[in-house]
Amino acid sequence: GEEVAQTPKHLVRGEGQKAKLYCAPIKGHSYVFWYQQVLKNEFKFLISFQNENVFDETGMPKERFSAKCLPNSPCSLEIQATKLEDSAVYFCASSLPGSYEQYFGPGTRLTVT
Amino acid sequence: SQQGEEDPQALSIQEGENATMNCSYKTSINNLQWYRQNSGRGLVHLILIRSNEREKHSGRLRVTLDTSKKSSSLLITASRAADTASYFCATEKNFGNEKLTFGTGTRLTIIP
Repeated sequence: GEEVAQTPKHLVRGEGQKAKLYCAPIKGHSYVFWYQQVLKNEFKFLISFQNENVFDETGMPKERFSAKCLPNSPCSLEIQATKLEDSAVYFCASSLPGSYEQYFGPGTRLTVT
Repeated sequence: SQQGEEDPQALSIQEGENATMNCSYKTSINNLQWYRQNSGRGLVHLILIRSNEREKHSGRLRVTLDTSKKSSSLLITASRAADTASYFCATEKNFGNEKLTFGTGTRLTIIP
């Protein structure tokens, strides 16, 4: 597609439940990025992929967070045993190889209650 | 950890006036980019300036970069109501396809 698609738009989970977010990058974009935005403030980088390979995972919390980009499937970000502090908007972005510009999806708002 | 600071945090101006927002960063960079975020939406890329450039224009946007001060400014001329949004600077350290490190953002409100 011509836009980065993210599903669902909103996700509500009770503390301790699992949350799974999905991202379909723009066709032809081989790089995928995940960012977390808390309280409409700064964006925190989580992880990036080059095709199905992890490219940079320096922002990924070691526990509870995992992500995948498998061939012919949307990329996913999974949070096991959610905590209140995980409440945020999670954005996915994609880019062409060698490009500096990233194209962002509309985000998934995760609310942990 | 937070890379950049932006100021002001919020700015309200009359339609037609110019808006200037500033961004500072802490480490050496390859490029600096400005993005816009409309309420509840994703980021839209506005303009990119490389570390060896000092000024760049795109339509009503003018961006400057001072690598000695590790700072950048974004000027929006002849503002419109549709420019109401949050504006974020983001830096890329070395090469393409890297993670972006964002500033804290400036909330711009244009008063009709």
